[in-house]
Amino acid sequence: DIQMTQSPSTLSASVGDRVTITCRANQSISSWLAWYQQKLGKAPKLLIYDASSLDSGVPSRFSGSGSGTEFTLTISSLQPDDFATYYCQHYNSHMFTFGPGTKLDIK
Amino acid sequence: EVQLVESGGGLVQPGGSLRLSCAAAGFTFSRYEMHWVRQTPRKGLEWVSYIGTSGRDIYYADSVKGRFTISRDNATNSLYLQMNSLGAEDTAVYYCARDIDFLLGVFDIWGQGTTVTVSS
Repeated sequence: DIQMTQSPSTLSASVGDRVTITCRANQSISSWLAWYQQKLGKAPKLLIYDASSLDSGVPSRFSGSGSGTEFTLTISSLQPDDFATYYCQHYNSHMFTFGPGTKLDIK
Repeated sequence: EVQLVESGGGLVQPGGSLRLSCAAAGFTFSRYEMHWVRQTPRKGLEWVSYIGTSGRDIYYADSVKGRFTISRDNATNSLYLQMNSLGAEDTAVYYCARDIDFLLGVFDIWGQGTTVTVSS
C-alpha cells in the first residue's frame, strides 16, 4: 500500500512569510498528487492536482512541485486566510490516500 | 451554486446501521463520479467509497468492505451510503465529495459533512 507522510506536522509562520510543506510517498506515485486546505470545522478545499496544477480560483501564491516520491506545497507570501491545515493526497486507480496533515498557525 | 449537502448522521449503537444521504445541486450530477470520505482526529482523512456515473462501478476501502454500500439516484441527484455493522472505529465526520471531471480521485467539491457517532 502507498503511505503518505508530511513534514512538518506543525508550522508556525507570520503573514508575508514564504512557507513550504513537504509530502513524501513510500513509493513512486508519478505526479498523482493533490493538495487540500482545511479550516477548522469546514470541509477540505482542493488547491492543487497533478502535483502542480492550480484548481480554478486558487490564488497564485500557492504552488506545487515534485514527482515520484517527494512533493512540496509552497505559499509564497502568507495571507491571514492561509492559516489552516494542509493535506496531500495520492490518487491512482481507485486507491486514494491522504497524508496526516500539516497545521499552519500564526507565529 | 454548486453544492453538496449531507444528512443522516447521528448516534448509533455498536452493531447498528445508518444511512447517509448527499443531495447535489448546481451541476449535472449524473455526469460526475462521486465519493464518500471520512475524517477522524486520530486517523485523519480516509477515503471510504467510490461510485461511477451510472452506479455500476463501485469501490470500497478495505476497512468498510462488506459492511458499507454506496449507491446513487441520478433522477433525484442523490448519493447514499448505507452503513451496517457499525463499530467505534466508524465514528467520524462523513463527507460526500465530487470527483473532478478529468481525473479520478481528485475531489473538487465537498459537502459540509455529517457526523456519525458509534457508541453505547
